[in-house]
Amino acid sequence: QVQLVQSGLEVKKPGASVKVSCKASGYSFTNHGISWVRQAPGQGLEWVAWISAYSGNTNYAQSVQGRVTVTTDTSTSTAYMELRSLRSDDTAVYYCARCVPSGVNYFDPWGQGTLVIVSS
Amino acid sequence: EIVLTQSPATLSLSPGERATLSCRASQSVNSYLAWYQQKPGQAPRLLIYDASNRATGIPTRFSGSGSGTDFTLTISSLEPEDFAVYYCQQRNTWPLTFGGGTMVEIK
Repeated sequence: QVQLVQSGLEVKKPGASVKVSCKASGYSFTNHGISWVRQAPGQGLEWVAWISAYSGNTNYAQSVQGRVTVTTDTSTSTAYMELRSLRSDDTAVYYCARCVPSGVNYFDPWGQGTLVIVSS
Repeated sequence: EIVLTQSPATLSLSPGERATLSCRASQSVNSYLAWYQQKPGQAPRLLIYDASNRATGIPTRFSGSGSGTDFTLTISSLEPEDFAVYYCQQRNTWPLTFGGGTMVEIK
């Protein structure tokens, strides 16, 4: 079955960087994009970034533009999201999600989420 | 960016009742709208895409309708497992955006 498995809890200080991984299985990795969505504690969903696993093209939300980079490693079917210059309001659960249908941007399935805590 | 406004914020209903959730877009998203369900401590799950198409494995009691700026998610008869938060999401225009969510709670 299609599955996305993310890396674990991260605790960082303000100004630091974090890199979250998302390993995909059960489908042809390069046939779908990967998006990253975050959810601050008790809040709603915010789309953060998208990458085409086929071409490497990316698109980023204005709120993180310049601080975020998403990449993929097609040899291991893994996507990565790096967020730099962390602030307290970056504290959130970060989800990766496969974009479906192929070439379209709905999200299914989602990874289990990675909690990133930014605190001094 | 396109703002999605969901209403009501909270819907208090009993099992077996019909739930009607609304999502209004600040400008047309054509039919490029999805609905997700999220339960506490879990990742969201895709229910409906392109306004009215059920995702794989989604029960027929879930249905979506609408186009342009006004969309509706209907749950025909609430099951105990349907009490959750529901989000709409548009893919018509970058940046992709979500609504603020509707919590469906047990009355």
